[in-house]
Order: sequence, then C-alpha cells, then structure tokens
Amino acid sequence: NAGVTQTPKFQVLKTGQSMTLQCAQDMNHEYMSWYRQDPGMGLRLIHYSVGAGITDQGEVPNGYNVSRSTTEDFPLRLLSAAPSQTSVYFCASSYNRLRDTGELFFGEGSRLTVL
Amino acid sequence: SQQGEEDPQALSIQEGENATMNCSYKTSINNLQWYRQNSGRGLVHLILIRSNEREKHSGRLRVTLDTSKKSSSLLITASRAADTASYFCATDGTGAGSYQLTFGKGTKLSVIP
Repeated sequence: NAGVTQTPKFQVLKTGQSMTLQCAQDMNHEYMSWYRQDPGMGLRLIHYSVGAGITDQGEVPNGYNVSRSTTEDFPLRLLSAAPSQTSVYFCASSYNRLRDTGELFFGEGSRLTVL
Repeated sequence: SQQGEEDPQALSIQEGENATMNCSYKTSINNLQWYRQNSGRGLVHLILIRSNEREKHSGRLRVTLDTSKKSSSLLITASRAADTASYFCATDGTGAGSYQLTFGKGTKLSVIP
C-alpha cells in the first residue's frame, strides 16, 4: 500500500494563478481532509469529506475548493492564488466512517509558494 | 481557532531523560490523539485516548487524560536522539464538531545525544 500520496511536493505560483493539489489514498478510507501548516500556527483544517460526494468546510476554507467524486481522491483547488496561501499543505485520511474521526494518516506534504 | 494548546513550546533534554509535554483543550471531546512530526515530513499518529480512559501506554509512551481539567500529558521515557521531533495533540469535538480533528501548535522536542 502506498498510503496517502500528495502531488506535487513543491510548487511556485504567481499571484492570481490557479492550481490543484492532488491527494490519493489506497486504504479505502471514508474520511479525507486537507490541512495547511504555517510557522507558529500549527495545522489548520481547510476542508474535509466523510465520503464520496460529501464535503464540508473546516476552519480556513476561503480561497479553496474541494470535491470528492471517488473514495480514493480528494483534490484541493486554489482558484486565484494569493501570497497568504504560501504554506505547506497536508492531506490526511481516516478509516472511520461518519462519527469519530479516529487516527489520521498523513501524506508527506506539498510546499506551495505564491509570489 | 485552536482547540488544543501544547506546553512547553520547546523542550531540550539529554538522551536517556524523560520528556513530558502537556496539552490543554477547551471543549468536550470524544478522544484525544498525539502525533509526531519529523522535520520536513508528514505527521505520524502515536496514540489515541478516549474520553472515558484516564491513562494509556504504548512502548515508551504514556498518555494521561483528565477531562475535568481538559488536559492531557504525553510522557516519553528514556528518550533517544531519534525522538527529536515536534509533537502535536489533536482533539475532535462532540456533536457537529466530531468530524473535525483540531491540532495544537506543537511542542518541539530536541534530544541531545
């Protein structure tokens, strides 16, 4: 099993550009989520999904879109990148269904710089 | 907003010593988890303790939970240089918040050989 795979690992964007961070898991996990990690701020939840076709907002959803068309994939879209979105992004998944998020399995992160 | 807050922010100890990190949180929880993050890597789950448990062990790790004080502690015994990492507590909520796992800002542990 590959676990949680994130691509790309590094990306540099210009302000206003759009891009998609990819996340895939091969563990048949129902729950998937995106976090951003900034120095001194810890990890903050952007969006999450409790199953295919179901998504919801976390603590810092503005500027980001998600969709969940399959159990395996949970892409994060930046429609118009801003310097404030410079961060390290982590995708994480969990085997638990609707209640109790349980243990999260993390990807290795995607480092995004917006100039 | 952050649910969990770790204390201290940074901790430096000699190899072989014990390391204790604390976490405080604000609202009722179903469970509390601890994660480790090595520099430049993703987080790795260490241990989960449920709200009806008071203490849990896993190898050199000991976690306690005091729901009346809304606090938890992580003890790493006989530390090794390889334990150098950042440690985060994470809590879920009850009710509508139970789908969201909220992380603290972490404790940076340095174990000096």
